[in-house]
Amino acid sequence: SQQGEEDPQALSIQEGENATMNCSYKTSINNLQWYRQNSGRGLVHLILIRSNEREKHSGRLRVTLDTSKKSSSLLITASRAADTASYFCGINAGGTSYGKLTFGQGTILTVHP
Amino acid sequence: SQTIHQWPATLVQPVGSPLSLECTVEGTSNPNLYWYRQAAGRGLQLLFYSVGIGQISSEVPQNLSASRPQDRQFILSSKKLLLSDSGFYLCAWSVFWQGAGELFFGEGSRLTVL
Repeated sequence: SQQGEEDPQALSIQEGENATMNCSYKTSINNLQWYRQNSGRGLVHLILIRSNEREKHSGRLRVTLDTSKKSSSLLITASRAADTASYFCGINAGGTSYGKLTFGQGTILTVHP
Repeated sequence: SQTIHQWPATLVQPVGSPLSLECTVEGTSNPNLYWYRQAAGRGLQLLFYSVGIGQISSEVPQNLSASRPQDRQFILSSKKLLLSDSGFYLCAWSVFWQGAGELFFGEGSRLTVL
């Protein structure tokens, strides 16, 4: 299936440092989306990047997409303890996907104060 | 504004008992609706999605079924629960437009089958 695979599985950093998470996928995509999940809660949408885009920014978040390498990265700059959460990339394949996303296992980010 | 509600939030059921999880969306019309399951410490697995009333697509063969009796209501059911049905169930909606659409998730229903 068109599942995203996040890397690393877990990331532990200090407040103020940058956090980078990667996502790889296998076939063509329509768009790729990043989500955040606090423990025991639903997922919250962060950024959507279309297949014809290479980079997008939102506040302290920067997402890149390299369709030739079939990979994306999420950079969180100047991290805060409140950024502690799991982060998932969701893959929207082309064709009649009806907007459905397939997710990987996620990256668990821990930001120490 | 749009909201999504899921209930119950927590459920403990014996093996072999039936299941009904409900999801409703407010503030939008004709959304795409999705049921995902998340096992402990794992990623999300898409179970079902629906693009309209009565239209259900199953992604993974399993012990569960879904129904969409109204435009903004999505129900996940089972006639007889298995231990492997335990997990965190998430409902989501989207409006897929011009090749894109973000998903809005509910707060989830945690099911423990004993």
